[in-house]
Amino acid sequence: DAMVIQNPRYQVTQFGKPVTLSCSQTLNHNVMYWYQQKSSQAPKLLFHYYDKDFNNEADTPDNFQSRRPNTSFCFLDIRSPGLGDAAMYLCATSRDRRGGQETQYFGPGTRLLVL
Amino acid sequence: GQNIDQPTEMTATEGAIVQINCTYQTSGFNGLFWYQQHAGEAPTFLSYNVLDGLEEKGRFSSFLSRSKGYSYLLLKELQMKDSASYLCAVRDSNYQLIWGAGTKLIIKP
Repeated sequence: DAMVIQNPRYQVTQFGKPVTLSCSQTLNHNVMYWYQQKSSQAPKLLFHYYDKDFNNEADTPDNFQSRRPNTSFCFLDIRSPGLGDAAMYLCATSRDRRGGQETQYFGPGTRLLVL
Repeated sequence: GQNIDQPTEMTATEGAIVQINCTYQTSGFNGLFWYQQHAGEAPTFLSYNVLDGLEEKGRFSSFLSRSKGYSYLLLKELQMKDSASYLCAVRDSNYQLIWGAGTKLIIKP
């Protein structure tokens, strides 16, 4: 089945220790997104790729970086995680961000715990 | 600024009907989405409205009034598995999705 896959589902890291979250998709979608979602809050868009074109949200901290080596894979790097970065990280894809009914398809998320 | 408002929590009884409201103020409008999110899981797409009126999909319906900046999601014949958060999201003039914080729906037997 075509899908969005995130690994790992749960990640524990230490304060200040770099961590990388991964996302892959078999949908062949142009656009990939990374969201941060804290409990009972709206998903917060960190950045997105339209093909190889990287788009950073203005309020995304420099601590967060992303790589998209090819259409299928996208990585979220947190250079020095703080306690406030503990959250669910959601990867999503869509065919074209300007599409009509084109919706975003989400992976299962990675829950990050910072000790 | 851009804003999506929805109630934080609602409670309903199994078999009943519930309406979850969403109001929005955004820079432009290019469609409104409803997503369902079970605890600890990713959001899944439920419905899309871009024109005024009601869209029906089985037990779920979604309504939009663009002039009022208002939408609702109607869930009929509630089942226990419908217990989840329901997120309203609006696509603005930059085709960016603006998300509400979600409405946690609790279904009681």
